Amino acid sequence: DSGVTQTPKHLITATGQRVTLRCSPRSGDLSVYWYQQSLDQGLQFLIQYYNGEERAKGNILERFSAQQFPDLHSELNLSSLELGDSALYFCASSVGDSSYNEQFFGPGTRLTVL
Amino acid sequence: DAKTTQPPSMDCAEGRAANLPCNHSTISGNEYVYWYRQIHSQGPQYIIHGLKNNETNEMASLIITEDRKSSTLILPHATLRDTAVYYCIVRVGKAGNNRKLIWGLGTSLAVNP
Repeated sequence: DSGVTQTPKHLITATGQRVTLRCSPRSGDLSVYWYQQSLDQGLQFLIQYYNGEERAKGNILERFSAQQFPDLHSELNLSSLELGDSALYFCASSVGDSSYNEQFFGPGTRLTVL
Repeated sequence: DAKTTQPPSMDCAEGRAANLPCNHSTISGNEYVYWYRQIHSQGPQYIIHGLKNNETNEMASLIITEDRKSSTLILPHATLRDTAVYYCIVRVGKAGNNRKLIWGLGTSLAVNP
């Protein structure tokens, strides 16, 4: 158990819909990272927040947005969903703001868009 | 941007050493090489990292070539539980400017009984 929690574990929705994925980092960690992993693909970095501020951005679509709240939990919002958005979405956390800090990953949310 | 190249798959007999290579010929001089692994759709797990010198911890050893263009992750006595996808990762971006880790497709290691 990494100490990072993600909800929900599974999510099934339809094209065009909007969903919110939630992540709670390990106690004491200030950075949260979001990753997307499509079937048989490596991890694609989406975005990083550190203590409420956006720190780094990857290949995150404009239909996707994220934020980190004062209690340090984070939410990833996915809108106008398409079939290709079906994937595993992982959240990770680390102590500092450097992406080099060891990242602790949650169990992931499996999103299926029908 | 620096990136890594790894073989897509490897096999290893249980109890033998697993040597996983990674090419990172465009790595910057002050950037680390990190290794993570992912067991069957679970969240990835940190293994080890290094800059220039060889590193060892309870999980693995990391051998980095002198020119830093490649490295090898060594699992000294592979077990069935080491079956996973292993990612060799470097960072891109300048200091203070959108630095992020680049994850490739990794090497799928199968440890066979």
